[in-house]
Amino acid sequence: GAGVSQSPSNKVTEKGKDVELRCDPISGHTALYWYRQRLGQGLEFLIYFQGNSAPDKSGLPSDRFSAERTGESVSTLTIQRTQQEDSAVYLCASSSQVSYGYTFGSGTRLTVV
Amino acid sequence: AQTVTQSQPEMSVQEAETVTLSCTYDTSESDYYLFWYKQPPSRQMILVIRQEAYKQQNATENRFSVNFQKAAKSFSLKISDSQLGDAAMYFCAYRSEGLGRFGAGTRLTVKP
Repeated sequence: GAGVSQSPSNKVTEKGKDVELRCDPISGHTALYWYRQRLGQGLEFLIYFQGNSAPDKSGLPSDRFSAERTGESVSTLTIQRTQQEDSAVYLCASSSQVSYGYTFGSGTRLTVV
Repeated sequence: AQTVTQSQPEMSVQEAETVTLSCTYDTSESDYYLFWYKQPPSRQMILVIRQEAYKQQNATENRFSVNFQKAAKSFSLKISDSQLGDAAMYFCAYRSEGLGRFGAGTRLTVKP
């Protein structure tokens, strides 16, 4: 597609429920990143994919967080048993080469009530 | 570990004036890239400018320029002739092969 697409754009869920956030990167972009941004804060790295492998998962905050990627296409970030502190905007970015930086999606705003 | 530090949580500038946003980083890599991103209230991240670490010449994009000091691991952004539309969060970012880190951001306010 023309850009990085994330869905849903907004999600309200009850504490304890599981949620899935989706990211469709730009076609041909081999690298894909997930970041979390709490209100008024910076970007917190979660996970990096190169193709469908995840060489760097060091940012996942707990075992309630997991992510997968199908080939060099869509990625899903899953949060199990959501907690109120999980409320944030989750940003996905893809890239074709290191030198080109990132192209970001518009994010998913997750609110846990 | 690679870290990116933005020591100015908030900055303010008068319209048409110049402002400089600071960024320092820590790395043991020799080959990497540095970026500044702008995030307006719409929350869409927009690439402002990028710098290749192997290039000594500072990058420039219209009113935006950087002061890249590799030995000091410093990468500041200068915005000249500030405009109301420049008001946003600005993030400094580091990227090497497979690794991407962002600073905490600087909120820039532009006063008319």
